[in-house]
Amino acid sequence: AQTVTQSQPEMSVQEAETVTLSCTYDTSESDYYLFWYKQPPSRQMILVIRQEAYKQQNATENRFSVNFQKAAKSFSLKISDSQLGDAAMYFCAYQVKSTGKLIFGQGTTLQVKP
Amino acid sequence: DSGVTQTPKHLITATGQRVTLRCSPRSGDLSVYWYQQSLDQGLQFLIQYYNGEERAKGNILERFSAQQFPDLHSELNLSSLELGDSALYFCASSVDGDRGKSGEQYFGPGTRLTVT
Repeated sequence: AQTVTQSQPEMSVQEAETVTLSCTYDTSESDYYLFWYKQPPSRQMILVIRQEAYKQQNATENRFSVNFQKAAKSFSLKISDSQLGDAAMYFCAYQVKSTGKLIFGQGTTLQVKP
Repeated sequence: DSGVTQTPKHLITATGQRVTLRCSPRSGDLSVYWYQQSLDQGLQFLIQYYNGEERAKGNILERFSAQQFPDLHSELNLSSLELGDSALYFCASSVDGDRGKSGEQYFGPGTRLTVT
């Protein structure tokens, strides 16, 4: 069974600094997708970034980028130039390609200090 | 705004009761997914429908059922409610959910269910 692990329950970063959130996963599949979702206090789930397993190039979306290490089954999220609005819970998710269902990690709460 | 709508936003009901949660996917999306977010279980996949047909099942209790209608909106029915069913229920949609063509999922705002 596929599992997703986020080992950092809480992280904090100074405004304008860079922070990296960790995620590891376990799967026997070779083709799958990985996502980071953001959940602010409003509880809305917002898609941050997506990575396709067969693509070696790391995905980037503005200030958000990932470090995808397929052999190590690691998928970390880097947030550059952190802003107060980045404060939220961040979920790493693995997508079973054959069905599309998302398997989520436990989440990491990110605090941004002014 | 993701384009996915869910009603109601909040629901408070008593144990033993039955409720229906409603979801309208983004325009053009054929797949609907239901997830439950609770403090002890985290975010869990419940069930997926694709173009009216059940496509995948997760840890969904037998007391729970869902369906997707011809206009592609979906309903999640929860019956014989227990205190432990209190949670945030999300609906998400994607363009396709056909095997091998999984797409990004966009989440609705959720329905907060409180069972007293």
